Amino acid sequence: QKEVEQNSGPLSVPEGAIASLNCTYSDRGSQSFFWYRQYSGKSPELIMSIYSNGDKEDGRFTAQLNKASQYVSLLIRDSQPSDSATYLCAAMGDSNYQLIWGAGTKLIIKP
Amino acid sequence: DVKVTQSSRYLVKRTGEKVFLECVQDMDHENMFWYRQDPGLGLRLIYFSYDVKMKEKGDIPEGYSVSREKKERFSLILESASTNQTSMYLCASRPQGAQNYGYTFGSGTRLTVV
Repeated sequence: QKEVEQNSGPLSVPEGAIASLNCTYSDRGSQSFFWYRQYSGKSPELIMSIYSNGDKEDGRFTAQLNKASQYVSLLIRDSQPSDSATYLCAAMGDSNYQLIWGAGTKLIIKP
Repeated sequence: DVKVTQSSRYLVKRTGEKVFLECVQDMDHENMFWYRQDPGLGLRLIYFSYDVKMKEKGDIPEGYSVSREKKERFSLILESASTNQTSMYLCASRPQGAQNYGYTFGSGTRLTVV
């Protein structure tokens, strides 16, 4: 069974601090990874994708991938209350079209 | 911007009714997906479609069917709605073969079956 594991949280972070969200995956054949943000009652929206080992930065967001350890993370710098949401991690399976989803981590940014 | 449009944000239906949920995307994507999302259960795949007239069962297809007669439209059908099908339904699309391309989701339909 191919799986993506996330801590469900909630993860509570003070405003202005760095929020660190983590994800592990079981399928070594996975090549691409995605972070989605989902506000309560809304649909998921893509915020970062990564497919090479190392870091990828986009504004306040940094995605990190370590294929040897089968580990993906998302760092949010200068956290804002508007970052409070559930963050979903997903891995592209070897079928090349179907994403395997984690259950999501609920992030709370405290003013 | 890719747009995925789901026809209704909120629906209330009666037990036993046949329910149609419509999804339309405007970017010529081959792959389309239907998920349901329930608290504590995450995203669960109901059906997906590689291309026009193609469909595959996902993890929880029981009680559902789908139709894809045109590339841009993917419909989810609840043959006889039951209260355990009360959920948020999410449609998504992506282009075929683009491994580094994630899904684009519609805004979701919150279905209540009474």
